[in-house]
Amino acid sequence: QVQLVQSGAEVKKPGASVKVSCKPSGYTFSDFPISWVRQAPGQRPEWMAWIDVGNGNTKFSERFQGRLSVTWDTSANLAHMTLSSLGSEDTAVYYCARPLYRGSYLPFQYWGQGSLVTVSS
Amino acid sequence: EIVMTQSPATLSVSPGERATLSCRASQNVRSNLAWYQQKPGQAPRLLLYISSTRAAGVPAKFSGSGSETEFSLTISSLQSEDSAVYFCQQYNNWPPGFGPGTKVEIK
Repeated sequence: QVQLVQSGAEVKKPGASVKVSCKPSGYTFSDFPISWVRQAPGQRPEWMAWIDVGNGNTKFSERFQGRLSVTWDTSANLAHMTLSSLGSEDTAVYYCARPLYRGSYLPFQYWGQGSLVTVSS
Repeated sequence: EIVMTQSPATLSVSPGERATLSCRASQNVRSNLAWYQQKPGQAPRLLLYISSTRAAGVPAKFSGSGSETEFSLTISSLQSEDSAVYFCQQYNNWPPGFGPGTKVEIK
């Protein structure tokens, strides 16, 4: 069965960077992009970016342009999301997600369990 | 960017009753609208897509309707396990956006 397993919680200081990992299983990775979605406490989810695992193409929300990186490690079959210049407003649960259909980007059928990132001095 | 709104913010319903949740898009999203259910400490769960198509394993008590800018999610015969926050999401335009959610409480 399809699973997305994420790395654990992180506590970071303002100005630092955080890297969250997502390990998918149960399907052909190159057939589906992986998106990153975050959710601040009590807020709606917010789409951040996706990466096309097959060719490495990426697309980002303008809100994160310049401080967000998403990659796919082919040797380890791992997706990574790195967010830099962290501020308190980046405290959130970060999810990786996979769409429903091959060849589509949305909606999100499968989600990781979430990785809590806390930014605090 | 398309702005999604939802109403009401909170809905309190007695067991066995029906709940109707609304979602509005600031622009025409055709039928590219999904609904998710989220319980505390869990990731969102896809309920419906293309406005009214149930995702795998979703019971028939969840139904959706609407197109363009006005959508609704109906949950029939509410039970305690339906207590959750429900989000709509448009995926017709980039970036895909979620509504603020409706919290459904069981009296």
